Amino acid sequence: EVQLLESGGDLVQPGGSLRLSCAASGFTFSDYAMNWVRQVPGKGLEWVSSIASGDATYYADSVKGRFTISRDTSKNTMYLAMNSLRADDTAVYYCTRGKDYWGQGTLVTVSS
Amino acid sequence: DIQMTQSPSSVSASVGDRITITCRASQGIGMYLAWFQQKAGKAPKSLIYAASSLQGGVPSRFSGSGSGTDFTLTIISLQPEDFATYYCQQYKTYPLAFGGGTRVEIK
Repeated sequence: EVQLLESGGDLVQPGGSLRLSCAASGFTFSDYAMNWVRQVPGKGLEWVSSIASGDATYYADSVKGRFTISRDTSKNTMYLAMNSLRADDTAVYYCTRGKDYWGQGTLVTVSS
Repeated sequence: DIQMTQSPSSVSASVGDRITITCRASQGIGMYLAWFQQKAGKAPKSLIYAASSLQGGVPSRFSGSGSGTDFTLTIISLQPEDFATYYCQQYKTYPLAFGGGTRVEIK
């Protein structure tokens, strides 16, 4: 059974940093592109970043230069390092596998 | 960048109704289109990929069609558990992009 479990969400001050993790199981992690998608409560879905099976990385303009996506295949875990956080980064962050499976999400709140 | 536009933004329907949701891409994406269902307080769930292929376990009352720039999600005979918000997503090129969502409400 495919499972994706996010962790690391927290309350952080503007300008601060946070690292999200996504622990994957039930499939060959290195074979799949993985994504981070976020959602402001009550709003729509926004793609944030992707890491391809060959480890090429892609970012939304809104996070480019501030966020870094990575994966550790030995731990079957994907990460999102977030720096220079702003109030408009506040959202639930979902880890997704390609175009099918989603995790349950982790809440990031940026506020003083 | 490719923009995805969904319509309508909301629709009121009754159990047993047939509804159609439209998704338009700002440029051609072939059949690189997915549909997701999200219920309140839950993570999205994948329904359809490659414009018309149902994910395993998705009821056959859901169907998708289209290619290029114009796509539709159709639900025949709406069931109580289908009242939710639906999103399309293009995955032909980066940046990936979602439509704004269509909320299906009970009339």
